Amino acid sequence: AQSVTQPDIHITVSEGASLELRCNYSYGATPYLFWYVQSPGQGLQLLLKYFSGDTLVQGIKGFEAEFKRSQSSFNLRKPSVHWSDAAEYFCAVGTGGGNKLTFGTGTQLKVEL
Amino acid sequence: GAVVSQHPSWVICKSGTSVKIECRSLDFQATTMFWYRQFPKQSLMLMATSNEGSKATYEQGVEKDKFLINHASLTLSTLTVTSAHPEDSSFYICSALQGVRGTDTQYFGPGTRLTVL
Repeated sequence: AQSVTQPDIHITVSEGASLELRCNYSYGATPYLFWYVQSPGQGLQLLLKYFSGDTLVQGIKGFEAEFKRSQSSFNLRKPSVHWSDAAEYFCAVGTGGGNKLTFGTGTQLKVEL
Repeated sequence: GAVVSQHPSWVICKSGTSVKIECRSLDFQATTMFWYRQFPKQSLMLMATSNEGSKATYEQGVEKDKFLINHASLTLSTLTVTSAHPEDSSFYICSALQGVRGTDTQYFGPGTRLTVL
């Protein structure tokens, strides 16, 4: 069965600093991979997704993620964090044609001003 | 982007009663909707896949008689928690698939907080 691991429960960074959120997955086939952000009172918002092709994926809000098959990883990065990026971030793998999502446990990002 | 709403956003009910949660895609039609459950400080767990005009497909371990799902139109899916008990208290989130392919995007509702007393 598929699974997603986000090893960091909480991360605190200073505004303007770079960010990397880790995600490792377990899935027997080529995965569909996603990063979502969840802010209080709002639905999960898709930041980016990977299905095939270029392993470096650009998303919204200046985020990018790199698919590394050899490491079963799909880490999310941002070169300069803004205070508004404080939220919970979820990595997910899609199976069953890509639509059935299995989520990681999330990483809570705090941004210090 | 596309918008998905949920109603109510928060509900408190007595043990033994039933609660209905609505999920609507506001500006697109969704053949497929999904229902998730999120416990505090935990991940989202897929409960079921709801397809318009057909029976929902439940994930292993989810009681289909307790969590009734109806997808009566291309913009509305409902989740009814029947005979609710305190252990059913949770955050329920729906999503709607804009399209039919695996590469299409799921749009998520803001969630419904259910508290069973």
